[in-house]
Amino acid sequence: DTGVSQDPRHKITKRGQNVTFRCDPISEHNRLYWYRQTLGQGPEFLTYFQNEAQLEKSRLLSDRFSAERPKGSFSTLEIQRTEQGDSAMYLCASITPGMNTEAFFGQGTRLTVV
Amino acid sequence: AQSVTQLDSHVSVSEGTPVLLRCNYSSSYSPSLFWYVQHPNKGLQLLLKYTSAATLVKGINGFEAEFKKSETSFHLTKPSAHMSDAAEYFCVVTGRGGSYIPTFGRGTSLIVHP
Repeated sequence: DTGVSQDPRHKITKRGQNVTFRCDPISEHNRLYWYRQTLGQGPEFLTYFQNEAQLEKSRLLSDRFSAERPKGSFSTLEIQRTEQGDSAMYLCASITPGMNTEAFFGQGTRLTVV
Repeated sequence: AQSVTQLDSHVSVSEGTPVLLRCNYSSSYSPSLFWYVQHPNKGLQLLLKYTSAATLVKGINGFEAEFKKSETSFHLTKPSAHMSDAAEYFCVVTGRGGSYIPTFGRGTSLIVHP
């Protein structure tokens, strides 16, 4: 297990279509985060899971966004009825929180809505 | 609640001169602090972290940061810039209590001139 992996790396979709992204965290990490990064900005927190429980989702950008982590391993982020403003890099990170731990990030999925 | 302010959106230096990237934080809890670097089309890479041990933290590639509680700062420095240091740098705060959500600053773009 070499790190956090995200799939796909790039996604181009037409406005109004649904898209789903996958994140596979580092296997021993129990916490998984989703972020969105737009051009020239820092990553913006969206939601996170502790094992399979979604503990914070109030920062999801709208009700078109949803995330799951059904078995406490991989996670998916879905955007329904995409809009051009959803074009961004979507990042996943994993961690086991503790005194000396940092979040490990995937390479991200770049979404372009045309 | 926690937040990060990166005081400069761009910093421009000449190769071989010192680098200073400024970061101020706010946290309700005793924080953990991190600096990440993001090269174009690359994932986020951890440079260094502060987790309440020594206040002067050494990281990779010759970078250092000093935690100053009285100033709520965690500035990143390097004695001599190299062309390969050109990238986007993010200061990140995570409270040790509560929900442990890494919170990013907006980023500082480091430009290195030959």
